[in-house]
Amino acid sequence: LAKTTQPISMDSYEGQEVNITCSHNNIATNDYITWYQQFPSQGPRFIIQGYKTKVTNEVASLFIPADRKSSTLSLPRVSLSDTAVYYCLVGDPPYSSASKIIFGSGTRLSIRP
Amino acid sequence: EAGVAQSPRYKIIEKRQSVAFWCNPISGHATLYWYQQILGQGPKLLIQFQNNGVVDDSQLPKDRFSAERLKGVDSTLKIQPAKLEDSAVYLCASSPPPGQGGTDTQYFGPGTRLTVL
Repeated sequence: LAKTTQPISMDSYEGQEVNITCSHNNIATNDYITWYQQFPSQGPRFIIQGYKTKVTNEVASLFIPADRKSSTLSLPRVSLSDTAVYYCLVGDPPYSSASKIIFGSGTRLSIRP
Repeated sequence: EAGVAQSPRYKIIEKRQSVAFWCNPISGHATLYWYQQILGQGPKLLIQFQNNGVVDDSQLPKDRFSAERLKGVDSTLKIQPAKLEDSAVYLCASSPPPGQGGTDTQYFGPGTRLTVL
């Protein structure tokens, strides 16, 4: 199983770019990397997914090096509303086994004015 | 598009009592998931359904937890009897069939917060 390691918490200020790195040393060939965001009292929300190199959408960018043993979620110009827990998830969609979906403890991001 | 619906939002019971949670996934989503999220931890997947069949329930504590998805749409998760350590948020998620929506995205409901006293 491809377990992930993320920093427990990070702090930043409004308007800054925030980069959260996730380590997944035993990622499998078919595994994708997916990031979710979770606000208090809500379920996680999909942010971005990628397999290799770089993926960008209207919310974030995902950088994946060639060896795919880590990935970095980049949030440009964060605001107070980006304060949340961010989860890195590694797996092989369509997920065929419940035991292969591991969220980990996530990174608690706090944005200050 | 309506999101994943869950009820109740909150439930308080005493240990050894029974409780049931209900989930209505997004229309057309074939896959349904139940997660348990203990305070301060990430979600832990309990069971995964594909239509009305169980894909994997290897992480479901079957001595006290049960789940069903009749007719491949709504689902219920039951705990009987509840223990103190079952206090958590129970999240339901659904995802579209492979190849639709681009990525294997899971859409989560708001969850049911269970407190066992």
